[in-house]
Amino acid sequence: NAGVTQTPKFQVLKTGQSMTLQCAQDMNHNSMYWYRQDPGMGLRLIYYSASEGTTDKGEVPNGYNVSRLNKREFSLRLESAAPSQTSVYFCASSDINQPQHFGDGTRLSIL
Amino acid sequence: TQLLEQSPQFLSIQEGENLTVYCNSSSVFSSLQWYRQEPGEGPVLLVTVVTGGEVKKLKRLTFQFGDARKDSSLHITAAQPGDTGLYLCAGKQGTYKYIFGTGTRLKVLA
Repeated sequence: NAGVTQTPKFQVLKTGQSMTLQCAQDMNHNSMYWYRQDPGMGLRLIYYSASEGTTDKGEVPNGYNVSRLNKREFSLRLESAAPSQTSVYFCASSDINQPQHFGDGTRLSIL
Repeated sequence: TQLLEQSPQFLSIQEGENLTVYCNSSSVFSSLQWYRQEPGEGPVLLVTVVTGGEVKKLKRLTFQFGDARKDSSLHITAAQPGDTGLYLCAGKQGTYKYIFGTGTRLKVLA
């Protein structure tokens, strides 16, 4: 069972470059989430999608955009990467009142 | 703004010792979850507590939700090296949003 799949696993960018992080889930979950994890700060919610066709801002949305492409896929885009966006990014999915299932993360470094 | 503070931030203990990790907030949560995360992987759910005062046991792990649903604790009895990892609490706000704690990094030495 794949669960939540994130691509790529690692990426190095230069300041100002753009890229899209991909996330797909095969559990037929309605809700999907993007978090970033930085040392000593736990996970912080960037954006979430409660259901297909909807997206909402989380705690730290600035500098990011998202697209809920269909029920399975939820992508995160950095339009102009900045060093402060160096982090580990996690995608998760769940249904209402059910636990979140996480992918294994994308490790992103911005030089 | 970080709403969930975990303590201690780091903990290194010998195999067989007991330990308690705390998760504290000034906010009320409808439920609270505990996760364990291994290096290079995403967090994996250990337990969800929903009712104020609730206690759940998972083998050597005991989880408690505070009466006011603002805090929680995780107690591990007779820790083993396999318990090593990053422990995260997460409080649920509203229908969809989760606020994660700052994390406790546990190392159990053989």
